[in-house]
Formats: sequence, C-alpha cells, structure tokens
Amino acid sequence: DAGVIQSPRHEVTEMGQEVTLRCKPISGHNSLFWYRQTMMRGLELLIYFNNNVPIDDSGMPEDRFSAKMPNASFSTLKIQPSEPRDSAVYFCASSLRQGWTTDTQYFGPGTRLTVL
Amino acid sequence: QQQVKQSPQSLIVQKGGISIINCAYENTAFDYFPWYQQFPGKGPALLIAIRPDVSEKKEGRFTISFNKSAKQFSLHIMDSQPGDSATYFCAATSGTYKYIFGTGTRLKVLA
Repeated sequence: DAGVIQSPRHEVTEMGQEVTLRCKPISGHNSLFWYRQTMMRGLELLIYFNNNVPIDDSGMPEDRFSAKMPNASFSTLKIQPSEPRDSAVYFCASSLRQGWTTDTQYFGPGTRLTVL
Repeated sequence: QQQVKQSPQSLIVQKGGISIINCAYENTAFDYFPWYQQFPGKGPALLIAIRPDVSEKKEGRFTISFNKSAKQFSLHIMDSQPGDSATYFCAATSGTYKYIFGTGTRLKVLA
C-alpha cells in the first residue's frame, strides 16, 4: 500500500490567498484526521471524519478553515483567506476503524505551508 | 489537565548508549499511551504503545516504562543507533481518537 498521500508537499503563498491541501487516505480506512504541527503548539488535531462525515471539528481554529471529505478516498483542508500565522506543517492521518483508541493512526508525509 | 509534558526537548547519545525520554500527565482518565517516531520530512509513525494496566512493554530495543501512581511514562531506547535519530512524541488519550501529544524530543545518536 502507498500509505497516506498528501499534496502538495510544500506550499508557499501570500497572505489573503486561498490554500487547498489534499489527502488520500489508505484504502479501506474509515477514519481520517487532519493535524497541524507547529513549534509553539506541537501536534494539534483539527478535524476528524468517520465514514466521510465530520465528527469532531472542535480543533479547527476559526472560520477561515474548512475541511471536506466528498468520498472515502479524498479529503481537502482549505484555508481562505490565509494568514502568516497559518504557516505550519499539516498532516493527514487515517485509521482502519471508527477512531478507536488503540486503532493506529497512519500519518501522511505532511504539507509544509508558508504564508508570506 | 489535558497536557502531556515531555522532556528533554533534545537529547544527544553516543552509539550503543541508552536514550531515555520522559512524559508526565495529570488526567487520570488517560488509558492509552502511544509513542510516535518522526523522521525529518516524514509524518509521525507509531513506535510502541502501552495501557496503564501494565508497568512495562518491550519491543526489540524499545521499552516503555509506566508508573501509574506517579502519572509518568518513559521511552527507553537500548543500544541506540544513528538510525534512531529522529523526533519522538509521547501521547495520551482517554478512550477516544483524540490524542494529546507531548512537545517532542529531538534525539541525535552519534556514530
């Protein structure tokens, strides 16, 4: 299996622009997670989908952030408009079942976002 | 209450030595404690995990020691190798998908 696939790997954009990050989870996995990693705040869960339905978006920082999962093999995280403080590495992860505690979360390689 | 405090922030160990990374928590409802390993440019990957009903779990050169009364757990890497150089994150969760991650420890093993 190719693992979790994310694109782009690097994104540099200017403040105010729309940014779309993409994720393809491992085939057959029912749960998908978006995380943000920064030096200051570490790894933070932004949103959790199960069977393509958003279950928990309490970690989404503000309305500028939105996430969708139109089907089992694709998810997007959109930031509009982007701000310099959004600069971070964004990870997508997937797990096999319904987000159970001991269900291993498999992380993608991440997208490094820089907002100028 | 929801924090997991991880130390040290960085660690340098000679090849063949023992690397020790410590984590502490406050929330007694936490019931699953995974450790993740992250290489530069890669996503975190599950290394080893423990539940609080055991005091130790070993997988190869990696061991988790768990002290429930002290609310602390630690990762020991025996016979550390240069290939172990990575950032290590502890985490905790209370029966859900929502992991609380530590701030990470950057390990460098000198050849």
